Amino acid sequence: GAVVSQHPSWVICKSGTSVKIECRSLDFQATTMFWYRQFPKQSLMLMATSNEGSKATYEQGVEKDKFLINHASLTLSTLTVTSAHPEDSSFYICSARRAAWDSNQPQHFGDGTRLSIL
Amino acid sequence: DQQVKQNSPSLSVQEGRISILNCDYTNSMFDYFLWYKKYPAEGPTFLISISSIKDKNEDGRFTVFLNKSAKHLSLHIVPSQPGDSAVYFCAATPTAGGTSYGKLTFGQGTILTVHP
Repeated sequence: GAVVSQHPSWVICKSGTSVKIECRSLDFQATTMFWYRQFPKQSLMLMATSNEGSKATYEQGVEKDKFLINHASLTLSTLTVTSAHPEDSSFYICSARRAAWDSNQPQHFGDGTRLSIL
Repeated sequence: DQQVKQNSPSLSVQEGRISILNCDYTNSMFDYFLWYKKYPAEGPTFLISISSIKDKNEDGRFTVFLNKSAKHLSLHIVPSQPGDSAVYFCAATPTAGGTSYGKLTFGQGTILTVHP
């Protein structure tokens, strides 16, 4: 079964709204979680690395104030898209990494969130 | 700068035949490679991986080959089945310490279609 739960799976909202996406590791503690973004027919692009108890590390070109990440516990990381606009519409996927290196599954992925901004 | 490349956007194969998906990388720090299968509106599903100390890893119908000197890896699916139709992503990561440890860099994906 799924070991990473992502919620919600689909969000449609008006421009200017802030949207929060949750990523939970279900049966293990995840010291590190990752947030990806995928545009249609394109690859998964890493947005940021979320470390429990510390500030997230953002990839080049990703606006920190736009995409707020909070990793308050070992099983939960949240991504908040602030003041969302139509260009933020995308498929957002989180993944969680166990504390110890797992050679078979370095990251466990959630099922993604489809965000549509009208 | 695309550090992991899948140059074939799509591949069409007859059921029962072999599917070969290719992937090239440029970053010498990458020493662990993975293949994921993905359906639309779902997260990637892990298929198989290989460490740079090996040149082949096999799991059932799936075999991954790694050519370090050419910085090339491939995924072989034999025999191919219609249920294998999906987008396949290769990914790479360094396993040494540092800020990039465990970060996955994905290729652009290859759409595999297996015809009955």
